[in-house]
Amino acid sequence: GESVGLHLPTLSVQEGDNSIINCAYSNSASDYFIWYKQESGKGPQFIIDIRSNMDKRQGQRVTVLLNKTVKHLSLQIAATQPGDSAVYFCAEKKAWTSGSRLTFGEGTQLTVNP
Amino acid sequence: NAGVTQTPKFQVLKTGQSMTLQCAQDMNHNSMYWYRQDPGMGLRLIYYSASEGTTDKGEVPNGYNVSRLNKREFSLRLESAAPSQTSVYFCASSVEWGSNQPQHFGDGTRLSIL
Repeated sequence: GESVGLHLPTLSVQEGDNSIINCAYSNSASDYFIWYKQESGKGPQFIIDIRSNMDKRQGQRVTVLLNKTVKHLSLQIAATQPGDSAVYFCAEKKAWTSGSRLTFGEGTQLTVNP
Repeated sequence: NAGVTQTPKFQVLKTGQSMTLQCAQDMNHNSMYWYRQDPGMGLRLIYYSASEGTTDKGEVPNGYNVSRLNKREFSLRLESAAPSQTSVYFCASSVEWGSNQPQHFGDGTRLSIL
């Protein structure tokens, strides 16, 4: 049978193109979302966050879109560069036994071709 | 600024050996976390410390213990290492547990149990 979780979704783009990375979240009550970038051999690096009272937030070359109706989060990277090659994953803040905590997706491997 | 610093970066242990993973943050954050990351899987929370003097179990605490030594330092101990604990371990910190603020990660400890 198929081994769940061993193969990351992949996205391959040409340098200079725009990239869109998608994430489906699980809990309609989640009120905070984060995108992280993880380069090989490094720890996750914070890119951008968004609260549930917003639909869109922009940073430097990155935009996060939140669609609460379908529980979908996307990260758009403008003019993708080779240095953007990494695994990108989203996190949502969900209720926990005491308070709430972040839970993390498996990630998408972005490859930027020169 | 160093951010979150983890030591060691790599370690190989034999089954049954013990070791302590060290983590320190210099951002004056109240909350600290230990995660493990396995191939193709999202980060899983082992233990967390919402504030100095408190620690609580995450979703995969079995086989681990933690100590919040002071506000800066949070260590993870494997008392009797097992091959199933082969993983990459990440420490993170945030301003407050459960807040709408990102967690900041170290670069990880890559641990192999033979």
